[in-house]
Amino acid sequence: DQQVKQNSPSLSVQEGRISILNCDYTNSMFDYFLWYKKYPAEGPTFLISISSIKDKNEDGRFTVFLNKSAKHLSLHIVPSQPGDSAVYFCAARDGGATNKLIFGTGTLLAVQP
Amino acid sequence: GAVVSQHPSRVICKSGTSVKIECRSLDFQATTMFWYRQFPKQSLMLMATSNEGSKATYEQGVEKDKFLINHASLTLSTLTVTSAHPEDSSFYICSARERRARQYNEQFFGPGTRLTVL
Repeated sequence: DQQVKQNSPSLSVQEGRISILNCDYTNSMFDYFLWYKKYPAEGPTFLISISSIKDKNEDGRFTVFLNKSAKHLSLHIVPSQPGDSAVYFCAARDGGATNKLIFGTGTLLAVQP
Repeated sequence: GAVVSQHPSRVICKSGTSVKIECRSLDFQATTMFWYRQFPKQSLMLMATSNEGSKATYEQGVEKDKFLINHASLTLSTLTVTSAHPEDSSFYICSARERRARQYNEQFFGPGTRLTVL
């Protein structure tokens, strides 16, 4: 039972354009959401997060939007750069009893020069 | 940022043997370390959480006698896959949380270990 879903396994975007990565979740107990970026042969690195009490968080070129009613969050990267090419994971914290992170399956972003 | 290392990065072993994977926090003290497993095209699945000096807490469905976790110091946790079988072949990744961490983003991941059991 996949509680955090990233339905697009891959995404290709032109340099300078906007990249939008989507993530859906099913558990209303999730109270904190994170995006991680992963390069090949490296561990995931934290990118940006958002608390469930907010609907937007911005950090430079990266913005995360949260729609609680739709149980949907998205990561916007603008402008996209070739160095952004990586696998992006969204993760949700289970604010209930377990308080652990649940990861999505990842989306491979390729930014074309 | 904080660095977490894993050793080995790749290991191939015969069925029935045991394999030990090390996870080290290089420049900080990690009171909590997490072990994940990732199958191809699937998400990172938490296997267990270990706190320094205490027994690990395993997720449902993870056999604690098969996946032995030891967190003997604030910088080292080990995962031993005992009597490995081909179905244990996977990508194992650890993460470490700093002692003073207040946010969940303060969890740093290692580069992972690719285990292949023949």
